[in-house]
Amino acid sequence: QVQLVESGGGLVKPGGSLRLSCAASGFTFSDYYMSWFRQAPGKGLEWLSYISPRGDTIYYADSLKGRFTISRDNPKNSLYLQMNSLRTDDTAVYYCARGHLASYYWGQGALVTVSS
Amino acid sequence: EIVLTQSPGTLSLSPGERATLSCRASHSVSSSYLAWYQQKPGQAPRLLIYVASTRATGIPDRFSGSGSGTDFTLTISRLEPEDFAVYFCQQYGTSPYTFGQGTKLEIK
Repeated sequence: QVQLVESGGGLVKPGGSLRLSCAASGFTFSDYYMSWFRQAPGKGLEWLSYISPRGDTIYYADSLKGRFTISRDNPKNSLYLQMNSLRTDDTAVYYCARGHLASYYWGQGALVTVSS
Repeated sequence: EIVLTQSPGTLSLSPGERATLSCRASHSVSSSYLAWYQQKPGQAPRLLIYVASTRATGIPDRFSGSGSGTDFTLTISRLEPEDFAVYFCQQYGTSPYTFGQGTKLEIK
């Protein structure tokens, strides 16, 4: 069965960096677009980025202003989100999802807390 | 950016009743690329409907979606206890993909 497991979340100070990982299993990872979303505490959902199967097409939400970078390692069945210059308003649960349109499969989420 | 506005913010109904949730877009949603998700506390979103009216795998037929252009509706024909949750619409026809702010469906 399809599984997506995020890791790498935690507490980081403003201005710091963090890299999230998403381990995929149960499907041929290299065949699928993958996406990142986030949800601030008590708030709605926000799409962040997606990447094509070979990594040659990438889109980001304008709000990220070049601070975040999506990447993938197909042999390792893994998706990544490198987050730099983190701000307090980046505090959220970060989800990876399969696909880049309407996503049926989501991970359980990783909590990122940006606080001094 | 396409802004999605959901109404009402909160909907209080009883099991067995019919729920009608609205999602209005600031600009036309390309190809009716509009999805509905259900989310319960502490859980990831669950895809219910895509391309405005197609039920996702395993979704009961009491859930239905309709609409096109800028006006979309999610209808739950007869509420079950497990349907009380927050519902989000999402457009994925134009980047950046955007979500509505959500409708909380609560037990009356």
